[in-house]
Amino acid sequence: DAKTTQPPSMDCAEGRAANLPCNHSTISGNEYVYWYRQIHSQGPQYIIHGLKNNETNEMASLIITEDRKSSTLILPHATLRDTAVYYCIVRPRDRSYNTDKLIFGTGTRLQVFP
Amino acid sequence: DGGITQSPKYLFRKEGQNVTLSCEQNLNHDAMYWYRQDPGQGLRLIYYSQIVNDFQKGDIAEGYSVSREKKESFPLTVTSAQKNPTAFYLCASSIVTSGRGEQYFGPGTRLTVT
Repeated sequence: DAKTTQPPSMDCAEGRAANLPCNHSTISGNEYVYWYRQIHSQGPQYIIHGLKNNETNEMASLIITEDRKSSTLILPHATLRDTAVYYCIVRPRDRSYNTDKLIFGTGTRLQVFP
Repeated sequence: DGGITQSPKYLFRKEGQNVTLSCEQNLNHDAMYWYRQDPGQGLRLIYYSQIVNDFQKGDIAEGYSVSREKKESFPLTVTSAQKNPTAFYLCASSIVTSGRGEQYFGPGTRLTVT
């Protein structure tokens, strides 16, 4: 299973872009990069995922390097409500069950300050 | 409103008692999952189920049991054999497709065993 490495914490000023990096140097060709976030004492929330192309939705943008060994989640205009733990996950495929198993690390704690 | 419900939000039990955590979803998702989260840690997979009447052990299944008699419901029993049951328990569900599909999480149940 591919592993991910994220910085344990980051700060960002409200209104500025938050750029959260993730390294996944052992990712294989058919593995997706997923991002989730978890606001304190709540269940994780899906943000975005991608394979090799950059992706954008209403919440964030995902930039994946050409060699796919790292990615960056971008929150274009961070608000105080974006304070959370952000998890970068490379999703393995369970060959016998074809099931979406997610392996969560400890993530990056993003603190957005006024 | 479609979603996942977990009840109760807080649960207190005495050591040696079995306790069952409820998880219900009305998203018509095939797959359901149970995770455990300890303070400052990521989520760890306990059990998952892709289809009714079938389920598989995750990474930390010892001391837990599940059932999947209905598509909408995936209750988790924390047995007295679980050595350290105090934790935050999260249920999730997803559409089982050819490898894509995010997981949707419930609000969690915080179990305290004394």
